[in-house]
Amino acid sequence: SQTIHQWPATLVQPVGSPLSLECTVEGTSNPNLYWYRQAAGRGLQLLFYSVGIGQISSEVPQNLSASRPQDRQFILSSKKLLLSDSGFYLCAWSVGQGTGGYTFGSGTRLTVV
Amino acid sequence: AQSVAQPEDQVNVAEGNPLTVKCTYSVSGNPYLFWYVQYPNRGLQFLLKYITGDNLVKGSYGFEAEFNKSQTSFHLKKPSALVSDSALYFCAVRDINDMRFGAGTRLTVKP
Repeated sequence: SQTIHQWPATLVQPVGSPLSLECTVEGTSNPNLYWYRQAAGRGLQLLFYSVGIGQISSEVPQNLSASRPQDRQFILSSKKLLLSDSGFYLCAWSVGQGTGGYTFGSGTRLTVV
Repeated sequence: AQSVAQPEDQVNVAEGNPLTVKCTYSVSGNPYLFWYVQYPNRGLQFLLKYITGDNLVKGSYGFEAEFNKSQTSFHLKKPSALVSDSALYFCAVRDINDMRFGAGTRLTVKP
């Protein structure tokens, strides 16, 4: 069966420090992968999505970047964190172009201090 | 572009009463609609989806949703609410390469 792993669950980082959040998917090949940010427990903001290795689309210009070094691995990074980067980060995957839904990871609570 | 709207930020119901969480959609072509639930500090969990077929879709935890083409709505319903149903609910519509989510509705079920 397909599973998605996202870590760490919580992270407290000082302003100006780097960031690396990792997401991996098991049990499927060539998934679409997504990074979302959720602020203040409300709406989801799509940050990046990827339809294949090395293919990254950015929805919002910001202090973050994403990479997909392997088929089932999606990494969210920052060179220097800002206070405004605090939030709840969610990774998700789906099967290509279709009618299927998304499967979400359990999320990472990032607090920048 | 596909989009959904959730007109209510907050819905409050008493335990045992029926609940409705509203969603309207705007799509070109056939709508592929979804409901997700999110508990505090957790990822979103799939509840149900409408692709085609019966307008009444049954999902997890006793939830169902009614697809209404004339009103372009896809409201989430449950005949008898539980306190444990208190959570954040998202309506969503599938696009070609991504999914568009509503802003979310916080459901509070009071004992």
